[in-house]
Amino acid sequence: EAGVTQFPSHSVIEKGQTVTLRCDPISGHDNLYWYRRVMGKEIKFLLHFVKESKQDESGMPNNRFLAERTGGTYSTLKVQPAELEDSGVYFCASSQAGQGAETQYFGPGTRLLVL
Amino acid sequence: AQSVTQPDIHITVSEGASLELRCNYSYGATPYLFWYVQSPGQGLQLLLKYFSGDTLVQGIKGFEAEFKRSQSSFNLRKPSVHWSDAAEYFCAVVWDYKLSFGAGTTVTVRA
Repeated sequence: EAGVTQFPSHSVIEKGQTVTLRCDPISGHDNLYWYRRVMGKEIKFLLHFVKESKQDESGMPNNRFLAERTGGTYSTLKVQPAELEDSGVYFCASSQAGQGAETQYFGPGTRLLVL
Repeated sequence: AQSVTQPDIHITVSEGASLELRCNYSYGATPYLFWYVQSPGQGLQLLLKYFSGDTLVQGIKGFEAEFKRSQSSFNLRKPSVHWSDAAEYFCAVVWDYKLSFGAGTTVTVRA
């Protein structure tokens, strides 16, 4: 069974540009999450999808970040325009449907560097 | 609010020696706890989890963790470390689908 995949693995962009990150969850997983780790900080929750619906986006830092999950399959996270403080590792995770404590399986992450 | 603290930022251990990583949680009810590992250039891999029942949990790669409610701790242990265990280790607690992570402990293994 394929795990969570993320694309690209690395991205280097200039401040003010747009970047779109993609996540493909484990097949059949209704829950999809985005997390971020900026340099020297803890891994922080960004948002949670259940199928195609945003269940919780309380961790999204500001309106420059837009996440979508059309059709309830893969998800994209767009940063527009990117700022220097957006640099970090963006992780995607997925889990089966349940009561909220199911194991989340993580992808390898996308390392974003904004210059 | 739920939170996790990992007191040790960096630990160095000799190959073959035992390893213990500390994790303390703050949570009002019975916590659901996890340990993840991130090897260099890799993503987060689940080592083990505690939901309920036996307080000593076995995981992959020879790791185990013990849940101690009286100490609000969920420490990770391995009896004999291998060079491939050099990585960053994260303790986490889940609440309402959201994982809250500790700051991570980096483990260096010396020959």
